[in-house]
Amino acid sequence: AQSVTQPDIHITVSEGASLELRCNYSYGATPYLFWYVQSPGQGLQLLLKYFSGDTLVQGIKGFEAEFKRSQSSFNLRKPSVHWSDAAEYFCAVGGSGGYNKLIFGAGTRLAVHP
Amino acid sequence: GAGVSQSPSNKVTEKGKDVELRCDPISGHTALYWYRQSLGQGLEFLIYFQGNSAPDKSGLPSDRFSAERTGGSVSTLTIQRTQQEDSAVYLCASSPGQTYNEQFFGPGTRLTVL
Repeated sequence: AQSVTQPDIHITVSEGASLELRCNYSYGATPYLFWYVQSPGQGLQLLLKYFSGDTLVQGIKGFEAEFKRSQSSFNLRKPSVHWSDAAEYFCAVGGSGGYNKLIFGAGTRLAVHP
Repeated sequence: GAGVSQSPSNKVTEKGKDVELRCDPISGHTALYWYRQSLGQGLEFLIYFQGNSAPDKSGLPSDRFSAERTGGSVSTLTIQRTQQEDSAVYLCASSPGQTYNEQFFGPGTRLTVL
């Protein structure tokens, strides 16, 4: 079955520290992978996406993610976290061939200490 | 340009009443999706419209849920005989076409069933 696992429900980091949010997926075909961010009371905003090609993808707000097929992972990273990065982060997987629904992980809530 | 809009932003209803939630996708986007975000269930796919094709209703949780998309644009999600477990944030998203593209999300409608 198709699924996305985000093992960390809550993460707290200090401002300026590095960040890595984990995402593992189970998908029978070539996955299309996404990271979305949701700030309180806001909709989902796309941070970055992986369709094919270079396995290290750059996104907005200084985020990057690396697709590792052998580990079925798509972890999100940021070298230096800002207080404004506090939000909930969702990893999602979708398919090709016109079947476009997204399957989301449960989300990781990030808190940033000053 | 304008993003995806949803109305109302908040809806409080009594158990057993019917509700209608509206989504205005980005102009020109042919694909439209409904998702539900609830505590304990995360983000779940509900239904997907693509152009004039038959919608993918595989995520609708019961026959109390239905959706329409008129003229290939505005969509209405209807929940009949609402139950307390229907309380959630209902998110709408649109994307440009049938080949895989980013989904742009609206701010959501928060539904509370008393």
